[in-house]
Amino acid sequence: AQSVTQLGSHVSVSEGALVLLRCNYSSSVPPYLFWYVQYPNQGLQLLLKYTSAATLVKGINGFEAEFKKSETSFHLTKPSAHMSDAAEYFCAVSQGGSEKLVFGKGTKLTVNP
Amino acid sequence: DTAVSQTPKYLVTQMGNDKSIKCEQNLGHDTMYWYKQDSKKFLKIMFSYNNKELIINETVPNRFSPKSPDKAHLNLHINSLELGDSAVYFCASSHRGVQETQYFGPGTRLLVL
Repeated sequence: AQSVTQLGSHVSVSEGALVLLRCNYSSSVPPYLFWYVQYPNQGLQLLLKYTSAATLVKGINGFEAEFKKSETSFHLTKPSAHMSDAAEYFCAVSQGGSEKLVFGKGTKLTVNP
Repeated sequence: DTAVSQTPKYLVTQMGNDKSIKCEQNLGHDTMYWYKQDSKKFLKIMFSYNNKELIINETVPNRFSPKSPDKAHLNLHINSLELGDSAVYFCASSHRGVQETQYFGPGTRLLVL
């Protein structure tokens, strides 16, 4: 069965600093990988997804993620954090045979002025 | 235009009561989902319907019964509410396919007293 591990339940960065949120997956077949963002008291919004095309995926709001099969990772990055990036970020995986999304436990990003 | 809407947004009720949450999507999707987010922000799928047919049914108590009157609606009825049912319930929709983006509603915050 597929699973996702997000390292670090809380990440704190300064405004303008690099954002790095870590996600490792476990899957017996090539996975589809997603990053979602949840702002306070809102639903989830897709940031980006990997669907076996380019390994470097660009998303909204300046975020990108790189699929590394050898490391079973799909880390999310943004070169320069903005105050508006403060939110909860979820990595998720799905794989052939099921539309079920399996989510990691989330990483709360705090951006300090 | 709201893509995925849920009603009510907040629901406070007593243990033992029966309640329903409604979900509607206007994206033309054929697949809809219910997810539960617990107090630690952990998201887990409960059900999925495709063209009104149940395709995913996770280990959810029988007190939870989804109903899909048509492709655009997926309602969740909960009987005999328990304290542990307190959570945020998210509806989502997508086109059929494991690589498809799921679009989430704003959530229904259920508090059982």
